[in-house]
Amino acid sequence: RKEVEQDPGPFNVPEGATVAFNCTYSNSASQSFFWYRQDCRKEPKLLMSVYSSGNEDGRFTAQLNRASQYISLLIRDSKLSDSATYLCVVNPMNYGGSQGNLIFGKGTKLSVKP
Amino acid sequence: DAGVTQSPTHLIKTRGQQVTLRCSPKSGHDTVSWYQQALGQGPQFIFQYYEEEERQRGNFPDRFSGHQFPNYSSELNVNALLLGDSALYLCASSEDRPLGKLFFGSGTQLSVL
Repeated sequence: RKEVEQDPGPFNVPEGATVAFNCTYSNSASQSFFWYRQDCRKEPKLLMSVYSSGNEDGRFTAQLNRASQYISLLIRDSKLSDSATYLCVVNPMNYGGSQGNLIFGKGTKLSVKP
Repeated sequence: DAGVTQSPTHLIKTRGQQVTLRCSPKSGHDTVSWYQQALGQGPQFIFQYYEEEERQRGNFPDRFSGHQFPNYSSELNVNALLLGDSALYLCASSEDRPLGKLFFGSGTQLSVL
C-alpha cells in the first residue's frame, strides 16, 4: 500500500461547481497533514493545513479523519483559476524540527471549464 | 525579500555524467530539503540539511549527495546519472521549528539523455 494515495483524476468540472478530493494515508503515526497546489511546471505551494476539527479558508474546506486515515478537500464555487494539481501531503513524524520529510501523493488534476 | 532560488532552471546531461544543482533558501531560513519530482508523480523527499549536516534522508542511493554551506545555501550532487534521474528537482527551505512552513523554489528541470 502506498504511503499517500489519491485519485489522480482528472476532474473536469464547470465553473461554479463543488468538487471534492479524497486522500488516504498508511502511517497511523503521521503527525501533520496538508494540501498543496501545483500549477503546471511550477513549484508546489501550500494551500492549507488540515486538522481533525476541520478548517475552512474561503471556498476551501479541509477535513482530517484520523480513525479512517482519510483526508479531504472541498472546493466550492469553482473558478477557472482553481485549475491545477492538488497534492495531499503527510508529515510522517514530529522530527522536532521543521517539516522537511513530507510524503506527497501523486496529485489530483482539476480542470475548471467555463 | 527573495524567496527560495534555484539554479540552473534547466539542464541537459548524458548518462554517466555528474551534476550539481544549487539552492539559496528564503531569508531567515536555516533548513534546506531536496525533492525529486518525476513526471506525473508527487515530489519525493531526497534529504534535508541543517547546520551543514544531513539530518534526514529518503530512499535514494548514495549517488545522491549534498552539502550545506555556512550561509545556509545548499547543493545537490548526483553522480553516474541514469535516464531515470530525469525529473524536476525541488529545493525547499524552512525555519527549524515545529510546524515551520516549507517554501519551495521553482526547481531545476534535469533531462538525462
